[in-house]
Amino acid sequence: QKEVEQNSGPLSVPEGAIASLNCTYSDRGSQSFFWYRQYSGKSPELIMSIYSNGDKEDGRFTAQLNKASQYVSLLIRDSQPSDSATYLCAASGNTPLVFGKGTRLSVIA
Amino acid sequence: EAEVAQSPRYKITEKSQAVAFWCDPISGHATLYWYRQILGQGPELLVQFQDESVVDDSQLPKDRFSAERLKGVDSTLKIQPAELGDSAMYLCASSPVPGFNYGYTFGSGTRLTVV
Repeated sequence: QKEVEQNSGPLSVPEGAIASLNCTYSDRGSQSFFWYRQYSGKSPELIMSIYSNGDKEDGRFTAQLNKASQYVSLLIRDSQPSDSATYLCAASGNTPLVFGKGTRLSVIA
Repeated sequence: EAEVAQSPRYKITEKSQAVAFWCDPISGHATLYWYRQILGQGPELLVQFQDESVVDDSQLPKDRFSAERLKGVDSTLKIQPAELGDSAMYLCASSPVPGFNYGYTFGSGTRLTVV
């Protein structure tokens, strides 16, 4: 059974701080990894993808991948109240995405 | 920007009734997915189509759920009869090719409430 594990939170950070979201996966055959943001009542929105070990930066977002530890993380710098949402981690080999349960992030103004 | 279209956005139905959801993927996308997301959980795959063929329906409760993509374009997911536990958001997504996954875009989803 392929699994993606996330801490459900809620994770609360003050405005302007760095939010750190973590995820582990069980399938060593996974090759691609994604972070989705989901606002309450809305569908998930793809915000980051990462395929190789190391860091990938896009604006205020940095995704980190460590395949040896089967660990993926998302850092959000200068967190804003508009970043308050549930963040879903997903992993895939040559298969449909497998999602974690999501971490709820609350950015306090 | 190309989008995955889904309808209806919301559906309330009584248990034991039939309900259907529709999805139109991004033009030219051969692979289509239906996911179910129960409140507080992550999306879970129900069925994957490649063109008009089912590739994976191992998690589809086939006693009550059915899915079709007759012409390899739009798709319909049906539940008959609906049960209280089917209350969830039903999400459709598409991708241009199978295999290595570059991530995919979800439609706006259908929020089903069974009463």
